[in-house]
Amino acid sequence: KAGVTQTPRYLIKTRGQQVTLSCSPISGHRSVSWYQQTPGQGLQFLFEYFSETQRNKGNFPGRFSGRQFSNSRSEMNVSTLELGDSALYLCASSPGDWRPGEQYFGPGTRLTVT
Amino acid sequence: DAKTTQPPSMDCAEGRAANLPCNHSTISGNEYVYWYRQIHSQGPQYIIHGLKNNETNEMASLIITEDRKSSTLILPHATLRDTAVYYCIVRVGDDKIIFGKGTRLHILP
Repeated sequence: KAGVTQTPRYLIKTRGQQVTLSCSPISGHRSVSWYQQTPGQGLQFLFEYFSETQRNKGNFPGRFSGRQFSNSRSEMNVSTLELGDSALYLCASSPGDWRPGEQYFGPGTRLTVT
Repeated sequence: DAKTTQPPSMDCAEGRAANLPCNHSTISGNEYVYWYRQIHSQGPQYIIHGLKNNETNEMASLIITEDRKSSTLILPHATLRDTAVYYCIVRVGDDKIIFGKGTRLHILP
């Protein structure tokens, strides 16, 4: 079974631009969660999508948004990029039906904002 | 905020058992204890989870105290490839994961 894939793996953007990151979950998984990891703040939860609906949301500004498609693939968008948005963005997939179980992470997209 | 407390770092000799402690004194009855690890620049990797009973899989063992206020992850024969940051997390079902700072485990040759 293929793992979680994220594209692109690396990205360099300029302050003020916007960016879209993509995540394809494990086949059969319906939940996709997004996390931001920075050296200063560690791993922080952004939001979770399940069956095309946002089910959970972390404490991030509205510049961070996401969506999920009917095939469970998810995209995350960051508008008006700031230098502080430079981070490793991780997505994770899980079955999503609230059974306790493992959540599998992708390799991440490393975003650098200059 | 994370509901767990872990030591910031630990050392373990290669080939010995690595015992990583975690305190979760405010855990509620329906929260599971999960362990993940993150090797440098990679996504976190699921290791094991449990509710009340001790658990074992091909990667590790999880020992949960009877009052469920603490647990220990055991890597029975640590290798250099086990060098990573280990996160202990409590959560309900597959609710969002709130990561703390974890324990940075150094395996010494």
